[in-house]
Amino acid sequence: AQSVTQLGSHVSVSEGALVLLRCNYSSSVPPYLFWYVQYPNQGLQLLLKYTSAATLVKGINGFEAEFKKSETSFHLTKPSAHMSDAAEYFCAVSPFILTGGGNKLTFGTGTQLKVEL
Amino acid sequence: DSGVTQTPKHLITATGQRVTLRCSPRSGDLSVYWYQQSLDQGLQFLIQYYNGEERAKGNILERFSAQQFPDLHSELNLSSLELGDSALYFCASSGAGGLYNEQFFGPGTRLTVL
Repeated sequence: AQSVTQLGSHVSVSEGALVLLRCNYSSSVPPYLFWYVQYPNQGLQLLLKYTSAATLVKGINGFEAEFKKSETSFHLTKPSAHMSDAAEYFCAVSPFILTGGGNKLTFGTGTQLKVEL
Repeated sequence: DSGVTQTPKHLITATGQRVTLRCSPRSGDLSVYWYQQSLDQGLQFLIQYYNGEERAKGNILERFSAQQFPDLHSELNLSSLELGDSALYFCASSGAGGLYNEQFFGPGTRLTVL
């Protein structure tokens, strides 16, 4: 079964500092990987996805993530944090081979990002 | 705005009751997924429908059921509610243009069972 592990349930950074949110996956074959963001009282918004094309994936709001097969990792980074980045971030995995109609997402436990002045 | 709508936004009910949550997918999406988000269990996949047919089941209780109608909207029915069913329930959809590997989430329905 596939799974993802997010290290650190809470991460705090200063405004302007590097953001690094960690995600490691477990899968017998390279899966599809996703990062979602959830702002308070809102649904989940897709930040970026890895679907076996480029290993360095650029997303919205200046975020990017690098797929590293050797480390089974898909860490999310942003060079300079902004106050508006404060939210909860979820890493998710789905099977690489699409079944008809798509596959479920398996989520990590989430990382709450706090951005301080 | 993801294009996925969910109603109602909030629902407060009592133990033992039954409720129905509704989801309208994005235009053109054939797949609908239901997820439950709670403090205890995190984000958990419940069930998936594709073009009216059940496609996959996750950690869905027997007290819960779902269906997808010919117009592709979906309903999640929760019965004999317990305090532990209090959670945020999300619907997601995918499939327009063949893009099944990307799910778009609705704003969720917050269920409170008293």
